[in-house]
Amino acid sequence: DTEVTQTPKHLVMGMTNKKSLKCEQHMGHRAMYWYKQKAKKPPELMFVYSYEKLSINESVPSRFSPECPNSSLLNLHLHALQPEDSALYLCASSPQTSGGPFEQYFGPGTRLTVT
Amino acid sequence: AQTVTQSQPEMSVQEAETVTLSCTYDTSESNYYLFWYKQPPSRQMILVIRQEAYKQQNATENRFSVNFQKAAKSFSLKISDSQLGDTAMYFCAFSTGGTSYGKLTFGQGTILTVHP
Repeated sequence: DTEVTQTPKHLVMGMTNKKSLKCEQHMGHRAMYWYKQKAKKPPELMFVYSYEKLSINESVPSRFSPECPNSSLLNLHLHALQPEDSALYLCASSPQTSGGPFEQYFGPGTRLTVT
Repeated sequence: AQTVTQSQPEMSVQEAETVTLSCTYDTSESNYYLFWYKQPPSRQMILVIRQEAYKQQNATENRFSVNFQKAAKSFSLKISDSQLGDTAMYFCAFSTGGTSYGKLTFGQGTILTVHP
């Protein structure tokens, strides 16, 4: 099973709402990633988890809160978002955490709209 | 810091023809990996091809091949016998080895349209 799944596919939320994005993989990968992607732009790395520990936080605002409850699951908790946070949020996983070559497998993304 | 440059924002090709997408990168690292990812409209991003910097042989995957010029820091993607399903945004990406946790540096992307 070479699949990364993400739920929900679409999410519309108000600026005062609290919501969560979910990502799951059953490939035994130990590195998981959250990206934000605007239309026709490359993905921007937000967070990296290695062996369920947060390894990279790319200075993301605290209104985004990641969580890795186990080796297969990655969540992104959202609170008090701004309209400019509307984007496609991608999750990815990789079998390697050090050395390389760090092939990343991407999920289909969650299309988030903040109203 | 690493940078990746894709100088062709958009390209088009006729079905069954060959097209080459350009990518250059800049790094002082000796151990690194290069990738081409494909993102079709409203669909999932998938890995097309990977090249390890220490390998001299150019990677190939079916109709996709790369021209890796290490000294020139160039990594172009050739798509042979283009198909309508190749229509997508293509991203060139770079990752160092070691303990980088696989952090990818992406180029700005090239939108490829294959015409019937």
